[in-house]
Amino acid sequence: QKEVEQNSGPLSVPEGAIASLNCTYSDRGSQSFFWYRQYSGKSPELIMSIYSNGDKEDGRFTAQLNKASQYVSLLIRDSQPSDSATYLCAVNIGYKLSFGAGTTVTVRA
Amino acid sequence: GAVVSQHPSWVICKSGTSVKIECRSLDFQATTMFWYRQFPKQSLMLMATSNEGSKATYEQGVEKDKFLINHASLTLSTLTVTSAHPEDSSFYICSARDPGSKNTGELFFGEGSRLTVL
Repeated sequence: QKEVEQNSGPLSVPEGAIASLNCTYSDRGSQSFFWYRQYSGKSPELIMSIYSNGDKEDGRFTAQLNKASQYVSLLIRDSQPSDSATYLCAVNIGYKLSFGAGTTVTVRA
Repeated sequence: GAVVSQHPSWVICKSGTSVKIECRSLDFQATTMFWYRQFPKQSLMLMATSNEGSKATYEQGVEKDKFLINHASLTLSTLTVTSAHPEDSSFYICSARDPGSKNTGELFFGEGSRLTVL
């Protein structure tokens, strides 16, 4: 079982719609969870961090965490063409940050 | 946020040569830096953890004699790909944690170095 798994993409959404990204992780002891955005040819940049069960909102982004289900999600509301990128779920497992394979999102204008 | 700078951003070399990539934390001290490798359309895979003043910790399957890591100061770690071969062509990204970051566990990434071995 992979340490971090994301729903397979690619995901195509029309401009203005909601993009929903999912992630599960294997280590029940993990405490820190992150969503990074990576544009093609660039390094990842942090979008959201979440540490407690429930929702965390930041602008058009909402992260959701359910530790009992070992599940993290990211919602992008009012999707814009500039949101087109690969989104990486990352989970602290021990001292390391492990990444999922990423979900590529394309927002259609 | 904290700044991590990586150099060079891209490099092309001949098979058999060695290439050095530098990673610097510009506004914080990093006792630990992480080196990742990313192949096209794949995720980031941790190669090794660089520890200031001591030996690096390599992930399973990563050859320590091929990927030499030196972390000589609190702001600089280097990765040297020795005797590079075409299969080493990849995107190498370093990262570090800023002790002063409000987001516990957050990694700050360098710009990445794209290595192409001919």
